[in-house]
Amino acid sequence: KNEVEQSPQNLTAQEGEFITINCSYSVGISALHWLQQHPGGGIVSLFMLSSGKKKHGRLIATINIQEKHSSLHITASHPRDSAVYICAVRYLTGANNLFFGTGTRLTVIP
Amino acid sequence: EAGVVQSPRYKIIEKKQPVAFWCNPISGHNTLYWYLQNLGQGPELLIRYENEEAVDDSQLPKDRFSAERLKGVDSTLKIQPAELGDSAVYLCASSLSGDAGNTIYFGEGSWLTVV
Repeated sequence: KNEVEQSPQNLTAQEGEFITINCSYSVGISALHWLQQHPGGGIVSLFMLSSGKKKHGRLIATINIQEKHSSLHITASHPRDSAVYICAVRYLTGANNLFFGTGTRLTVIP
Repeated sequence: EAGVVQSPRYKIIEKKQPVAFWCNPISGHNTLYWYLQNLGQGPELLIRYENEEAVDDSQLPKDRFSAERLKGVDSTLKIQPAELGDSAVYLCASSLSGDAGNTIYFGEGSWLTVV
């Protein structure tokens, strides 16, 4: 059972819309990553969070450690934002590895 | 600065044949990871190296998969013999160390199709 859950699994939006992708996990973590994967391409790290909020351009990532929840927001979405967005966590206990969600496939329509 | 480089990008082989993937991590990165990603799924760790030592290979199917990182830099992942179910993307990643505070950088992946 995958303990890193993302929602929604698929998301279609009109260009310019505000996008929110959610990630929840079940036990304590030391870090959470938001990653972007384009079709046929590799994975690009967008953010690494352990608390609070980070912003880069039109992307904003937040994390609530107490609620074990993180969100990735995209403002003024653009067709080039179309990709799979993956949440990955590094747990406090156990192996020092990343555990991945199954991803959210975003399609932004012009 | 070059990112994580993987080759080949695409490989099609018949079942029971061997295949090998190569990864060159970012210069100076001590930690190297090999991940397996099936279609529509998130990546799953196969093996993690700290320098030349495999510190976590618990998910590596050792009957047919092997990996090495002899000089603590480049790494190869081998499958012999390949099975139909091995068709997937094999991702290599690296980071400065395995600590939580370091960003992990991914290569573009090696796409394997076993026919």
